Amino acid sequence: DQQVKQNSPSLSVQEGRISILNCDYTNSMFDYFLWYKKYPAEGPTFLISISSIKDKNEDGRFTVFLNKSAKHLSLHIVPSQPGDSAVYFCAASAKWSGGTASKLTFGTGTRLQVTL
Amino acid sequence: GAVVSQHPSRVICKSGTSVKIECRSLDFQATTMFWYRQFPKQSLMLMATSNEGSKATYEQGVEKDKFLINHASLTLSTLTVTSAHPEDSSFYICSATTVGETQYFGPGTRLLVL
Repeated sequence: DQQVKQNSPSLSVQEGRISILNCDYTNSMFDYFLWYKKYPAEGPTFLISISSIKDKNEDGRFTVFLNKSAKHLSLHIVPSQPGDSAVYFCAASAKWSGGTASKLTFGTGTRLQVTL
Repeated sequence: GAVVSQHPSRVICKSGTSVKIECRSLDFQATTMFWYRQFPKQSLMLMATSNEGSKATYEQGVEKDKFLINHASLTLSTLTVTSAHPEDSSFYICSATTVGETQYFGPGTRLLVL
């Protein structure tokens, strides 16, 4: 049962344009969402997160939007740069669980290719 | 962000041997460390949650006697793959965090069992 889904395995965007990566979830208990960037044979690097009390969070070129009613979030990268080419994973957790750190459930990833 | 290291980065071993992977949080004290496994072109799958000073909590389908986890201090957790077999070949990644904080990931360890 895939509770976090990224339906697009790959995305190609021209440099300078906007990249939009999508993620859907099914578990209504999730209240904290994160995006990670990953290069081959490396660990994921944290990019940006959003709590369910917000619908938007922005950090530089990265903006995450959350639509709780649709159980959908998206990551916008603008302008896209060649160095952004990587696999992007969304992840979700029920952040507060009895005072312990919460485990993350990851999507399957979207490979972003930013072309010149 | 916080720095998490893993050692070794790559290991090749013979079938039946045991392999130990270390995960260290270098600039913060991690109350919790997580161990993940990633097969090619697949997502990161959580194997177990490790809290300092207590027994690890394993996800369904993960054999605790095969994947031994020790979280001896607030900066070190180890994963030992016992009696490794070729199907254990994978990319193992740890993450470290404190309560309510973002998980920071190590660079991963690629294990190849011959």
